[in-house]
Formats: sequence, C-alpha cells, structure tokens
Amino acid sequence: QLQLQESGPGLVRPSDTLSLICSVSGGSIGSSSYYWGWIRQPPGKGLEWIGSIYYSGSTYSNPSLKSRVTLSVDTSKNQFSLKLSSVTAADTAVYYCARRGSTKAGGYFDLWGRGTLVTVSS
Amino acid sequence: DIQMTQSPSTLSASVGDRVTITCRASQSISSWLAWYQQKPGKAPKLLIYKASSLESGVPSRFSGSGSGTEFTLTISSLQPDDFATYYCQQYSDYWTFGQGTEVEIK
Repeated sequence: QLQLQESGPGLVRPSDTLSLICSVSGGSIGSSSYYWGWIRQPPGKGLEWIGSIYYSGSTYSNPSLKSRVTLSVDTSKNQFSLKLSSVTAADTAVYYCARRGSTKAGGYFDLWGRGTLVTVSS
Repeated sequence: DIQMTQSPSTLSASVGDRVTITCRASQSISSWLAWYQQKPGKAPKLLIYKASSLESGVPSRFSGSGSGTEFTLTISSLQPDDFATYYCQQYSDYWTFGQGTEVEIK
C-alpha cells in the first residue's frame, strides 16, 4: 500500500533554511486525485498545516508562513519537498508529510508519514 | 482565517464510558470537518471525515455529528486503545486544526 516517508536534517541553525523531502512509495505522486502536504507539530503542542502541492506544481500555503515556504514536486523521483527559510526556535517541530484529496470533499488528510523531528538550534 | 476550538482540553474517563468531544468553528464550515486520533510518538490517524463519515477500518464505536459551526465526536464505549489525543480539522477554507483533546484514564 502507499506509504510516505520524511527525510532531512534533524538539526538546523537559526536563520538557515529547513529542507525536507517526502518520498512516496507503493503508488504514484502523479495521481490527479491527490494533493501532497506538510503539517508540523511543535513538541507538546497541536498541529499546524504548512502547505500542499499538486503533481502539476500548483501550491497552497498557510498565509502565516507563506513568505518563508517553498514547495516543490519531482514526479520522476516520486517525491515532494519543503523548504522553510529564516528559521527560528519556534520552527522546532515534528514535520509530517501527508496526502489529501484534490477536491473540496476530499480535503482531509487520509495518509500520513511517520514524521521527522527538526530542531532549530545553534 | 477560521479558528477551531475544542472542549474540553482534557477528559478523564473509564473503560466503557461514553465520551463526547466538542469542536466549534469561528464561522460556518458546512460539514467540511475531520477528526483524528493521535497517540504519543505517532502520526495522526483519520477517524471521521465530512463531519460524520467513518473512515474505512475505524471501529463503529466512533461517530461524528454536526454542521455549520458546532461538531461532536462521540466514542460510544471507551476502549483501552482509545486513550489518546483527538483533533478536529476544518477544510472549508484552507486547513486548520483544533488545539486537541487528551482522553486520559480516570
């Protein structure tokens, strides 16, 4: 069955750019039925949607993070990625990649990766 | 942006209890609401979508109801595996989550 797996550095310096990749296995990221997204969770806190991308490259980002977020997709590698610039300690979180439907009716996240902890510290 | 508020923040209950969690939206979201269960160190798991539709494989003791701005998640008879944190999420306008409700053992 389809699985998602996050990868990337676990430690990022303040003011640097956080970069993560989500690898999709067991299915194609090129499906017209889904968007692929990122959600984060600071330690001991709740969930925050970061952004979502379609296989064509169309994106949506959280307005509160939009100026710092770059989303991209590589259909040849069945991967999508997140870049978050100018990070601070407030960006320390577990970062999840997840799948949602491409229509409004399918806007919930039905499949998640295991998550990866990214710590921002010097 | 749409704010989601859950109550209570923490709920103490016993096995076999009927449990209800409430989620309120700051404006109408029709039925564009999902519920997730999260256990420590794990990713959230989808339970309910479109306010009341049960995700495949989720036990029938879980149910959702509501529309507009007020929603509930009910567990009809709490089981040991159900002690976890529950989140609501709206997908009417962008995507936002409630702050979570921890269901703990009484």
